[in-house]
Amino acid sequence: KNEVEQSPQNLTAQEGEFITINCSYSVGISALHWLQQHPGGGIVSLFMLSSGKKKHGRLIATINIQEKHSSLHITASHPRDSAVYICAVRSYNTDKLIFGTGTRLQVFP
Amino acid sequence: DARVTQTPRHKVTEMGQEVTMRCQPILGHNTVFWYRQTMMQGLELLAYFRNRAPLDDSGMPKDRFSAEMPDATLATLKIQPSEPRDSAVYFCASGLVGGITNYGYTFGSGTRLTVV
Repeated sequence: KNEVEQSPQNLTAQEGEFITINCSYSVGISALHWLQQHPGGGIVSLFMLSSGKKKHGRLIATINIQEKHSSLHITASHPRDSAVYICAVRSYNTDKLIFGTGTRLQVFP
Repeated sequence: DARVTQTPRHKVTEMGQEVTMRCQPILGHNTVFWYRQTMMQGLELLAYFRNRAPLDDSGMPKDRFSAEMPDATLATLKIQPSEPRDSAVYFCASGLVGGITNYGYTFGSGTRLTVV
């Protein structure tokens, strides 16, 4: 079993829909990262969370440390949100990231 | 915006050739990572440095891969000799880490390596 699990693996949506991507992890962590990667593109760090909730534009990330679970929400989705979203956790006492396998999101007009 | 610069962006080489990938971390960042991304394995950590000293290179095939930081503005990843199975996208990331504080990481655009 992977230490970081994401669901769903693939997601399609119509423009304007509310999107939720989930991440569960099994290790103790000091922080959780949400990353975005467009096809053929680089990796962009969206959020780094250690508790609670963060919001940036149409993106919202939440984390529940007790349940070892995080969600990434996209409100009013747009075709340019189409990308792979990767959850990664940093375990205690290390700077290394453990990556989920990613969620491929496609938003259609 | 400060960014992590990787060169080259694309590299096609023949099996057996030496490949050198370079990374310029963000000025002031003290931690540098090298990751490899493939369709099969996803993102894997190859090596990372703190204040130019290697902290962990357990993810790197030692017989052919080497990673160095000759100075604070340059990190290199070399493959010698290269093999077709090394074909992947190699990402560099940097961050500022101090004690319990971590300000997050910034990734470069990657080097897409194809070994034929």
